[in-house]
Amino acid sequence: IAGITQAPTSQILAAGRRMTLRCTQDMRHNAMYWYRQDLGLGLRLIHYSNTAGTTGKGEVPDGYSVSRANTDDFPLTLASAVPSQTSVYFCASSTDQGQTQYFGPGTRLLVL
Amino acid sequence: GESVGLHLPTLSVQEGDNSIINCAYSNSASDYFIWYKQESGKGPQFIIDIRSNMDKRQGQRVTVLLNKTVKHLSLQIAATQPGDSAVYFCAENGGGYNKLIFGAGTRLAVHP
Repeated sequence: IAGITQAPTSQILAAGRRMTLRCTQDMRHNAMYWYRQDLGLGLRLIHYSNTAGTTGKGEVPDGYSVSRANTDDFPLTLASAVPSQTSVYFCASSTDQGQTQYFGPGTRLLVL
Repeated sequence: GESVGLHLPTLSVQEGDNSIINCAYSNSASDYFIWYKQESGKGPQFIIDIRSNMDKRQGQRVTVLLNKTVKHLSLQIAATQPGDSAVYFCAENGGGYNKLIFGAGTRLAVHP
């Protein structure tokens, strides 16, 4: 069992480019989440999904979009990247909302 | 707004000693708390959780204590080992079941 996988591991991106971060879980968890982690600010929720077909906004959703076409996949898209989106991005999942969240290994993104 | 341990202090301990990592939370509506461990370059890893109907919960070498009166959470690690060196985050669900709020973390440095 792989748990949660994220791709790419790291990426350097020119400002203005579109980028999709991939997240896949094989635990059949209903809920999935995207966080960004910045020094001194901890983990901040970007978007979440309680179940396939539904999504919701977290604390810092601007500039990001998500989709949840099926249980396993929860991609995060930056439509037009800006330098302030330089961060480490973590995907997480839980059996249901309100349960313990399990995290992927992260994607390190540098926007120049 | 709510806050959970926004500072990132460093706790230095000798190998074999017990460690205590503290966390203050501000939302009295929170009823679920989690401790995560994050090693360098990796995603947060679940350690232990506790619900508000409990004051104490024990795991393997770890104990979480919850004091709702003063809104304080602590993680005790017995016989600290070099492998325990990491950043430890507390999280609360004060923002709703989908919105875990994380502190900035505490760095634990274990010296031989």
